[in-house]
Amino acid sequence: AQSVTQLDSHVSVSEGTPVLLRCNYSSSYSPSLFWYVQHPNKGLQLLLKYTSAATLVKGINGFEAEFKKSETSFHLTKPSAHMSDAAEYFCVVSDHSGGGADGLTFGKGTHLIIQP
Amino acid sequence: DAGVTQSPTHLIKTRGQQVTLRCSPISGHKSVSWYQQVLGQGPQFIFQYYEKEERGRGNFPDRFSARQFPNYSSELNVNALLLGDSALYLCASSLMGGYTFGSGTRLTVV
Repeated sequence: AQSVTQLDSHVSVSEGTPVLLRCNYSSSYSPSLFWYVQHPNKGLQLLLKYTSAATLVKGINGFEAEFKKSETSFHLTKPSAHMSDAAEYFCVVSDHSGGGADGLTFGKGTHLIIQP
Repeated sequence: DAGVTQSPTHLIKTRGQQVTLRCSPISGHKSVSWYQQVLGQGPQFIFQYYEKEERGRGNFPDRFSARQFPNYSSELNVNALLLGDSALYLCASSLMGGYTFGSGTRLTVV
C-alpha cells in the first residue's frame, strides 16, 4: 500500500524568499515520487520525478526535491519564489508492486501563496 | 507533438443521467489512467488500462466503467449520476513511469 502526506495545507512566502513544501510518503516497495503543480482551472504539470537514481532531483522552473529514505520524505524547495509560482502543489507516490494496479496516490495538496 | 487530449472540456448533466468522457493519449503511449478531482482535494485514482486491458481499479462504485481502444484512446463512463460525481476528471497517459495529464473534463451534475 502507498500513501502520501503533505504536511502543510497552505504556505505563504514573500517574493524572492525560499520555498519549502513538505511531503512524507509510505510505500511497501521502492517508490517513484513526483511533484505536480496545478494552476487555477488548469491541468496538472509535472515539476520533477524521482525514480531511484540521484536522490537530489532537479525540476523545471528552479524547483528541486531531495529523496530521503531514512526520513521517508520528499520535500520540494526553490531558492527564490516568484509571483508565478502561486498555485496548488501535489506530492505523488507510485510503487510498482502491483504493476500499476494502485495508480498514482496524490497528497491533499499545498496551496502556495506568494506575497509581493 | 500533441499532448493528452480530453473531450469535452466542460459538460453539465442531470442526476440519474449517464456520461461518457474521452481521452486520447500521447502518440506511442500505451497506458491510460483516469482520476477524479473533487474541488479542493487531490486527484483520486479510478482506472488504469494498458494494451486495452484493465490493470488497476480504485475505490469507485460499479457505476464507473472504462475501456481502451486499439488506438489506445480511452473512454470513461459514469452511469446513474449523483451530485457527488461533480468533479474534474483527469486522464493521464504514461510511458516508462512518466505520467502526462490532460487538462481534464469539468463535469457538473445538477
